[in-house]
Amino acid sequence: GAVVSQHPSRVICKSGTSVKIECRSLDFQATTMFWYRQFPKQSLMLMATSNEGSKATYEQGVEKDKFLINHASLTLSTLTVTSAHPEDSSFYICSASTRQGASYNEQFFGPGTRLTVL
Amino acid sequence: DAKTTQPPSMDCAEGRAANLPCNHSTISGNEYVYWYRQIHSQGPQYIIHGLKNNETNEMASLIITEDRKSSTLILPHATLRDTAVYYCILRTGANNLFFGTGTRLTVIP
Repeated sequence: GAVVSQHPSRVICKSGTSVKIECRSLDFQATTMFWYRQFPKQSLMLMATSNEGSKATYEQGVEKDKFLINHASLTLSTLTVTSAHPEDSSFYICSASTRQGASYNEQFFGPGTRLTVL
Repeated sequence: DAKTTQPPSMDCAEGRAANLPCNHSTISGNEYVYWYRQIHSQGPQYIIHGLKNNETNEMASLIITEDRKSSTLILPHATLRDTAVYYCILRTGANNLFFGTGTRLTVIP
């Protein structure tokens, strides 16, 4: 159980285009989904926290107008990289969790999406 | 986000136990010690977590010192598939996961 999928696994796009990445919890309902970014040879950096049905909370330094997050259902969150540029090329990883009061339960991670912007 | 310190890299012979240390001298009473690993170009995988007591599951054992200022993740019989970056993370239930730089474990045939 606790499987999280991402689609696509790999995407190459031209500079200036927008790219949408989907994150799905396949066998549980995720009240909260997290989006991370990982540059080569670096650790994961949390970009934003998304609760179902409400606006995402972005970490400092992450542009909310550039990285649009939608969490419209308990099993699906999407990250749209708008007007992508080469510096946005990275490995994007989502995770899904359930929330109990003020606490989060275990986070289960997706396999990641490698974005290359030409 | 609380701080942990891990060695940047370690090697382990295949079939032997891999012992990965983590220092967390500023841990507070309600913080759990979590371990994740990330195999190259994949998402992180949960391994184990604990608060005070030692824990064991099908993947690994977690030994936490009595003062909770350090811990050790033990992979009892390392295989080549255990080659990965291992992250030690402190977390309360209300906190997000903040990944440090981790330990790159290489299992050698």
